[in-house]
Amino acid sequence: QVQLQESGPGLLKPSQTLSLTCTVSGDSISSRGYYWNWIRQHPEKGLEWIGYIFYGGNTYYNPSLKSRITISVDTSKNQFYLKLTSATAADTAIYYCTRVPWYSGNPSDYWGRGTLVTVSS
Amino acid sequence: QSVLTQPPSVSAAPEQKVTISCSGSSSNIGNGYISWYQHLPGTAPKLLIYENTKRPSGIPDRFSGSKSGTSATLDITGLQTGDAADYYCQTWDTSLDAIVFGGGTTLTVL
Repeated sequence: QVQLQESGPGLLKPSQTLSLTCTVSGDSISSRGYYWNWIRQHPEKGLEWIGYIFYGGNTYYNPSLKSRITISVDTSKNQFYLKLTSATAADTAIYYCTRVPWYSGNPSDYWGRGTLVTVSS
Repeated sequence: QSVLTQPPSVSAAPEQKVTISCSGSSSNIGNGYISWYQHLPGTAPKLLIYENTKRPSGIPDRFSGSKSGTSATLDITGLQTGDAADYYCQTWDTSLDAIVFGGGTTLTVL
């Protein structure tokens, strides 16, 4: 049973860096059959793709966030990470990590339950 | 504002059929593949449909997807109270160079 679990601070101040960890169990993050995604959901309900990382470390980011985000992976810990700099209230959201199989359309077949991050002074 | 357009809400009675639409453009749905998710707040979203019409293992055939031109639909037949949830469509947008989502549709089972 594949499981993903997001973790990280739930509250940060404007201009700080948001740092989240996704811990994967039930599958190896080094598996070549998948890549690994971050998605967020804003309070008004919309979902926004952040970016993904391949097992080898190559990344692909949403152009609208590219200047502020870094996604990385630690295969020894079976974890991948999200860093988002210069946080503002607009970054307040539930952050999800997902697994993406090599299907057309980039579907996420497993999601974490999400972690709420609030940016507020 | 979401790139893909979904109705904010739909409703139907148990055992009935409901259709959820997802409208886009030639840069996304028109040239790509749609996925559909079911989401109960506080839980992990669940993949229902990928590559327009395919169901992952364990998803009942009451859920079906289709695509025509720049629109896609998710049909749910034999509605159950447990189907009450938010539903999202997703695809890749070649102009934005990004995965994009619909705004979500809340299904109420009356």
